Amino acid sequence: QVQLVQSGAEVKKPGSSVKVSCKTSGGTFSSYAFSWVRQAPGQGLEWMGGIIPISGSTSYPQKFQGRVAITADESTGTVYMELTSLKSEDTAIYYCARGPPLYYWGQGTLVTVSS
Amino acid sequence: EVVMTQSPDTLSVSPGDRVTLSCRASQSVSSDLAWYQHNPGQAPRLLIHSASTRAIGIPARFSGSGSGTEFTLTISSLQSEDFAVYYCQQYNKWPDSFGQGTTLEI
Repeated sequence: QVQLVQSGAEVKKPGSSVKVSCKTSGGTFSSYAFSWVRQAPGQGLEWMGGIIPISGSTSYPQKFQGRVAITADESTGTVYMELTSLKSEDTAIYYCARGPPLYYWGQGTLVTVSS
Repeated sequence: EVVMTQSPDTLSVSPGDRVTLSCRASQSVSSDLAWYQHNPGQAPRLLIHSASTRAIGIPARFSGSGSGTEFTLTISSLQSEDFAVYYCQQYNKWPDSFGQGTTLEI
């Protein structure tokens, strides 16, 4: 049974950084890509980036280039998403998911950016 | 980057209705298109992948079609639990991208 378990909620100051973890179990970690998706209050789903652990290849939308970094630790089956230079608009629920297509999802991590 | 556009933004419907949601890509994404259902407070749920393949456990009332740039999700007979927000996602070209969503409301 595949499970993705994310780290807990975070409260951050504007200008700081946040790193969210996503520990996977079940399945073969390196055989899949992983994605990070967020949903800000009142907004839709937004794809933030993805990684293929076996190659280390990553991709980020232009909007997040230079501000987000996704990494993977094959030894622990954990994927990380770090977002820097946080702004209030980054307040959102952040999800990790295996894929695409995104069949398995983490439970979501609420990141609140507030002074 | 591929821009995904869904229509309509909101659809007022009733239980038992047949519903068709549309999704358009700014360039061809072949059949690398997925549909998700999202309810507040829950993780999104994969309904359809590869444009027309139902995910495991998804009821037969959900069906997808299309290829290239035009796609549709059809719900043959709307159930009360289907009132949610629906998103399409292309995964043909990195970076992946979602549409803005279609809300089904009573």
